[in-house]
Amino acid sequence: GAGVSQSPSNKVTEKGKDVELRCDPISGHTALYWYRQSLGQGLEFLIYFQGNSAPDKSGLPSDRFSAERTGGSVSTLTIQRTQQEDSAVYLCASSLSYGQFSGNTIYFGEGSWLTVV
Amino acid sequence: QQPVQSPQAVILREGEDAVINCSSSKALYSVHWYRQKHGEAPVFLMILLKGGEQKGHEKISASFNEKKQQSSLYLTASQLSYSGTYFCGTEAGGTSYGKLTFGQGTILTVHP
Repeated sequence: GAGVSQSPSNKVTEKGKDVELRCDPISGHTALYWYRQSLGQGLEFLIYFQGNSAPDKSGLPSDRFSAERTGGSVSTLTIQRTQQEDSAVYLCASSLSYGQFSGNTIYFGEGSWLTVV
Repeated sequence: QQPVQSPQAVILREGEDAVINCSSSKALYSVHWYRQKHGEAPVFLMILLKGGEQKGHEKISASFNEKKQQSSLYLTASQLSYSGTYFCGTEAGGTSYGKLTFGQGTILTVHP
């Protein structure tokens, strides 16, 4: 696609429910990133994928968070048993390739705004 | 570890200049600069690579001091459209390559 596409754009869910956030990266981009941004805060790294594998999952806040990527394309971030502190914008980004000295531009999607009530 | 940005906020009049700094405690391979307007996705401004290569917009300039692990973004003759939050993202080496860690952001406000 022309840009990174995320869905849903907005999600209101009840505490304790599970949610799935989807990211469709730019066609041909092998690297995919998930970040979280709470209101007025910076960009918190969650996880990134090189192809279908995730070499660094250290940013996932708890075991309620998981992510997968299939076919080297679409990625899904799943939050189980949502809590109010999970409310944030979840940003997905992709880049052409990965690796040292890659210097590839990372393109962000518009984000999925999650509100847990 | 998260890079540290300074200042946290800047207020300018149109036409004035500003410098935003980003520093890291880790050896860096690249520094990325983004601008985010309220309610929008971050937008790419510039990449600075170890070794001196830069990629970015013609009207944006930045520096990368590899020895000090510091980068600075220079905004000259500011325009109203420059307002937003500026983030630096750093890519460290070793097992962290490919992982971009962002600073807390610098809020820039340009007034007429």
